[in-house]
Amino acid sequence: AQTVTQSQPEMSVQEAETVTLSCTYDTSESDYYLFWYKQPPSRQMILVIRQEAYKQQNATENRFSVNFQKAAKSFSLKISDSQLGDAAMYFCAYRTPTDNYGQNFVFGPGTRLSVLP
Amino acid sequence: NAGVTQTPKFQVLKTGQSMTLQCAQDMNHEYMSWYRQDPGMGLRLIHYSVGAGITDQGEVPNGYNVSRSTTEDFPLRLLSAAPSQTSVYFCASSPGTSGYQETQYFGPGTRLLVL
Repeated sequence: AQTVTQSQPEMSVQEAETVTLSCTYDTSESDYYLFWYKQPPSRQMILVIRQEAYKQQNATENRFSVNFQKAAKSFSLKISDSQLGDAAMYFCAYRTPTDNYGQNFVFGPGTRLSVLP
Repeated sequence: NAGVTQTPKFQVLKTGQSMTLQCAQDMNHEYMSWYRQDPGMGLRLIHYSVGAGITDQGEVPNGYNVSRSTTEDFPLRLLSAAPSQTSVYFCASSPGTSGYQETQYFGPGTRLLVL
């Protein structure tokens, strides 16, 4: 079974600084998808960034980028120029390619990010 | 376009009571799912559906039932509430069952307290 590990329960960063959140996963699949979701205090789950395993290029969305190391099964999230609004719980998630009868997201336990003014 | 909506936002139940958590999406998504979120455990899949009339169990299905009579709606039923079902419940949907459209879109969540 696939598992997702986030080894940092809590992180903090100064406003305008850069922070990296770690995620590792375990799978025997060669094709899959990886995601970072943000959950602010409102509890809404917001997609931050997505990476396809077959793409070697790291995904980037504005101030958010990933470092995807497929061989090491590592998928870290870098937040540049941190803003107060980035404070939230961040979840790393893994998803297998789908077929007609099965889809599954596996989520990590989350990392709570605090942004200090 | 409201996206994924969930009702109620908060509910208190007594042990043994039953209730239905409602979920609807207006994006014509094929895939819908229910998760529960407990502290330190991320989100765990309860049930999912790959289309109207098709449902299947996820990681933690015991004590919950689902049905999918329409593309839009995917209600979650608690048959006999237990304190262990105290959690935050999220409904999610995604456009298709394969390919690039793998992103799930989440509803705002329902906080359930079982006394």
